[in-house]
Amino acid sequence: KAGVTQTPRYLIKTRGQQVTLSCSPISGHRSVSWYQQTPGQGLQFLFEYFSETQRNKGNFPGRFSGRQFSNSRSEMNVSTLELGDSALYLCASSPISRELDEQFFGPGTRLTVL
Amino acid sequence: SQKIEQNSEALNIQEGKTATLTCNYTNYSPAYLQWYRQDPGRGPVFLLLIRENEKEKRKERLKVTFDTTLKQSLFHITASQPADSATYLCALVLYGQNFVFGPGTRLSVLP
Repeated sequence: KAGVTQTPRYLIKTRGQQVTLSCSPISGHRSVSWYQQTPGQGLQFLFEYFSETQRNKGNFPGRFSGRQFSNSRSEMNVSTLELGDSALYLCASSPISRELDEQFFGPGTRLTVL
Repeated sequence: SQKIEQNSEALNIQEGKTATLTCNYTNYSPAYLQWYRQDPGRGPVFLLLIRENEKEKRKERLKVTFDTTLKQSLFHITASQPADSATYLCALVLYGQNFVFGPGTRLSVLP
């Protein structure tokens, strides 16, 4: 089975721009979660989608949004980028529940905001 | 205030010894606790999950304990090997399904 894939792997943007990151979960997995990882704040939960609906959300501003498609693929969007948005963005998928099921993480997208 | 801590930023041990990593939390009431391994440049890999009503969980050379009174989880790797060198993260799974990750402990197993 193919693992979780994320595109692009690396991205450089400037302040004020917007960015869209993509995640393809493992086939058959319906839950997709997004995380931000920085050296200072560690790994922080952004949101989780299940069957095209946002099921849970972390404490991030509204500039961070996401969606999930009927094939479970997910996208995350960040608008009006700030320098502090530079981070590794990780996507994880699980069959149904990330609390009880194993979460499988992708390799991440490294976003640099200049 | 709410806080989750892992015993040290880095831990060095000799090959063959048991590595013990600690995860402490305050002002959280987790339903579950998970442990992950993360290698440089890669996403975390799930290792073990333990529920609040479970005291101990084992998987091969790994053992996790969970003490909700002490608000602490211990993660043990027995007969450690250089290949076990990585950063280990604990994650609290809260009621309401939010996740809170610890800062991680970078383990180095020396040959």
